[in-house]
Order: sequence, then structure tokens, then C-alpha cells
Amino acid sequence: DAGVIQSPRHEVTEMGQEVTLRCKPISGHNSLFWYRQTMMRGLELLIYFNNNVPIDDSGMPEDRFSAKMPNASFSTLKIQPSEPRDSAVYFCASRTGEGTEAFFGQGTRLTVV
Amino acid sequence: GESVGLHLPTLSVQEGDNSIINCAYSNSASDYFIWYKQESGKGPQFIIDIRSNMDKRQGQRVTVLLNKTVKHLSLQIAATQPGDSAVYFCAENIGGGSYIPTFGRGTSLIVHP
Repeated sequence: DAGVIQSPRHEVTEMGQEVTLRCKPISGHNSLFWYRQTMMRGLELLIYFNNNVPIDDSGMPEDRFSAKMPNASFSTLKIQPSEPRDSAVYFCASRTGEGTEAFFGQGTRLTVV
Repeated sequence: GESVGLHLPTLSVQEGDNSIINCAYSNSASDYFIWYKQESGKGPQFIIDIRSNMDKRQGQRVTVLLNKTVKHLSLQIAATQPGDSAVYFCAENIGGGSYIPTFGRGTSLIVHP
């Protein structure tokens, strides 16, 4: 298995532009997480999907952020419009079910200038 | 609110020594705990987990101890190697809910040859 696959690995964009991050979870996993990592705040949960349904989006910073999971093998995290304070590494993770370990992708390093 | 925290942000050891990384948690409802290792430029990687019905679990060169009385976790790495240099995170999962991993800030382990 290739693991959780995220794209792109690096993204540099100008303030105000739309950014879309992509994630392919491990086949057979039914839970998916989006996390954001910064030096100041560490790893923060943004949103959690179970069976493609958003269960907890309380970590989504504001309306500029949105996430979708149209099917079991794909999820997107969109930021529109992007701001410099959104610069961070964004991780996607998946797992087989509650009470099991989550497997992380390699992350997308986003820089908003 | 309740949170997971780490006592030491940086731990430096000599190759061959044993390392102990500590983690305090404050949510008494947490009943599943995971240790992750994150190398530079990579996503967190699962090391070992432990459930609240256990107080010790051993893996290859690693041991996790859980003290529910004082809400404390530790990760012990035997015969530490340069390849163990990374940031280590503990994540608590609250039972009775969605078991969403909540991460502490991390401890940086530096192994000197």
C-alpha cells in the first residue's frame, strides 16, 4: 500500500488566491482527518470525516476554509481567499476505525506570500 | 480546556543510551494513547499505542508506560540510535466519542553519535 497520498507537496501562492489541497486515504480506511501544523500551535485538528461524512469541523478556522470528501478515496481542503497566516504544513491522515491508529501523509507545505 | 502537554521540549542523549520522553494528559476520559515519531519533512509515523486497560506495552526497542493515577505517559527507547532523532508526539483519544487524536506539542530528541 502506498500509504496516505497528499498533493501537492509544496504550494506557494499569493495572498487572495484560492488553494486546494488533495488527499487520497489508504484504501479500506473509513475515517479521514485534516490537521495543520505550525511551530506556534503544533498539530491542530481541522476536520474529521467518518464514512465520508464530516463529523467534527470545529477546528476549521473560519469560513475561508472548506473541506469535502465526495467519496471514500478522495478529500480536498480548500482555502479561499488565502492569507499569509495560513502558511503551515497541512496533513491528511486516515484510519480503519475508532480506537485505531491514524496513518499520516507526507503533508503539503503551504506558503502564502 | 483540557490538553495534552509535554514536560521537556528537547532531549539530548548519547548514542547507545536509553531515552525517556514524557507526556502529561489531563482528560480523564482519554482511554487510548498513541506515540508518533516525526522526522524532518515527513508526516508523523506511528510507533506504539496503549489502551487504558494496560499500564505497559513493549515494542521493538520501545516501551510505553501509562500511569492513569497521575495521567502520565512515557516512551522509553532502548539503545538510542542517531536514526531515532526526531520529534515525538503523544496523542490522546477520548473514549466514548469519536476517538479523535489530540496531540501534544512534541519533544525533540537529539541523539549524538
